[in-house]
Amino acid sequence: AQSVTQPDIHITVSEGASLELRCNYSYGATPYLFWYVQSPGQGLQLLLKYFSGDTLVQGIKGFEAEFKRSQSSFNLRKPSVHWSDAAEYFCAVGAGNNNDMRFGAGTRLTVKP
Amino acid sequence: GAVVSQHPSWVICKSGTSVKIECRSLDFQATTMFWYRQFPKQSLMLMATSNEGSKATYEQGVEKDKFLINHASLTLSTLTVTSAHPEDSSFYICSARGDYPAGREQYFGPGTRLTVT
Repeated sequence: AQSVTQPDIHITVSEGASLELRCNYSYGATPYLFWYVQSPGQGLQLLLKYFSGDTLVQGIKGFEAEFKRSQSSFNLRKPSVHWSDAAEYFCAVGAGNNNDMRFGAGTRLTVKP
Repeated sequence: GAVVSQHPSWVICKSGTSVKIECRSLDFQATTMFWYRQFPKQSLMLMATSNEGSKATYEQGVEKDKFLINHASLTLSTLTVTSAHPEDSSFYICSARGDYPAGREQYFGPGTRLTVT
């Protein structure tokens, strides 16, 4: 079965600084990869997804992610963080006939003024 | 498109009672629906997968007699927490997947917060 690791539980960055959130997956074939953001008490919002093709994926709110098969990684990046980006970020991998999804533990992002 | 709703958004019930949570796909037919559970400050854990007209498949460790899932139509799945206890208090999120618009993607509902007193 597939699995996802988000090594960083909590990251703090200054507003305007760049951001990279790490995600590593384990799956035998090419997985479907997703990044979601969740504000406190809210549901999930899809930031971006990778199914196939171009390994650099653009998402909403200025986020992008790069699929690196050799490193089994799908790291999320943003060149300049805004205070409103403070939230919990989840990486997820989907696989199998039902596209069963497995979520990473999440990374909490704090943005300093 | 691809909107999933949940009802109620939050519910408080007394210990020992049952509570039903609905998950609806509003503008597409959901051949598969998923139920997740999220404890505070934790990740989403898949509880079960249900295909329309079939019995749900539960993940290891999830009590099927306690968390009853029904997927009777292509737009509705329900999760019933039977004989709820305080440890069942959690955030329950459903998602739905159909053959269209994209069979590889799940669309998530806004979640239901259950508090058992």
